[in-house]
Amino acid sequence: VQVQESGPGLVKPSETLSLTCTVSGYSISSGYYWGWIRQSPGKGLEWIGSIYHSGSTYYNPSLRSRVSVSVDTSKNQFSLKLSSVTAADTAVYYCARSPKGGYVIPFDPWGQGTLVTVSS
Amino acid sequence: QSVLTQPPSVSAAPGQKVTISCSGSSSNIGNNYVSWYQQLPGTAPKLLIYDNDKRLSGIPDRFSGSKSGTSATLGITGLQTGDEADYYCGTWDSSLSAGVFGGGTRLTVL
Repeated sequence: VQVQESGPGLVKPSETLSLTCTVSGYSISSGYYWGWIRQSPGKGLEWIGSIYHSGSTYYNPSLRSRVSVSVDTSKNQFSLKLSSVTAADTAVYYCARSPKGGYVIPFDPWGQGTLVTVSS
Repeated sequence: QSVLTQPPSVSAAPGQKVTISCSGSSSNIGNNYVSWYQQLPGTAPKLLIYDNDKRLSGIPDRFSGSKSGTSATLGITGLQTGDEADYYCGTWDSSLSAGVFGGGTRLTVL
């Protein structure tokens, strides 16, 4: 299984950050939770949210009002949308799978990460 | 501040053993499985340990995990310079209904 993030590397303040994670080597519709984690420069890991292949979701309470994770089984992809971004949302964004059926965490494998900078 | 508490840094000499602690509460570590991740400089995190003490396939047995009550520990024996990295613990928090991580511990092999 491999996962790979893609999307714009620069987003303007107050706009919506949109990222896609493409999965290869495994069909999303077969199961497991698929998640997004971010890491601000020089900081630790922050879980953003996860989605089951059926579409049920869990979100970080601190981001819930701004975040949406969706899945497109036809493209074997899942996506992240984070609205009303500020400079505090500047981070490397990772996508990952939970290899344990029915569990959001642990995470394996991880994508290589994509840096998203929020700046005008 | 993170829900799970880790020491910011630990250090030891090559060949020695080091332990990294991860402290939480009954809503997270106390009632859920703990996983451990290694992040080498400039790379994505990599899962080492899951379900408190299970090594992912391919992870050397120099790495071990344990849990007692509301705390978990990652142990690394026979330290190598290649083990220098940031290490993170993670688990589910049942009260928050959220995944949570520790703040990370930087391991220096002197």
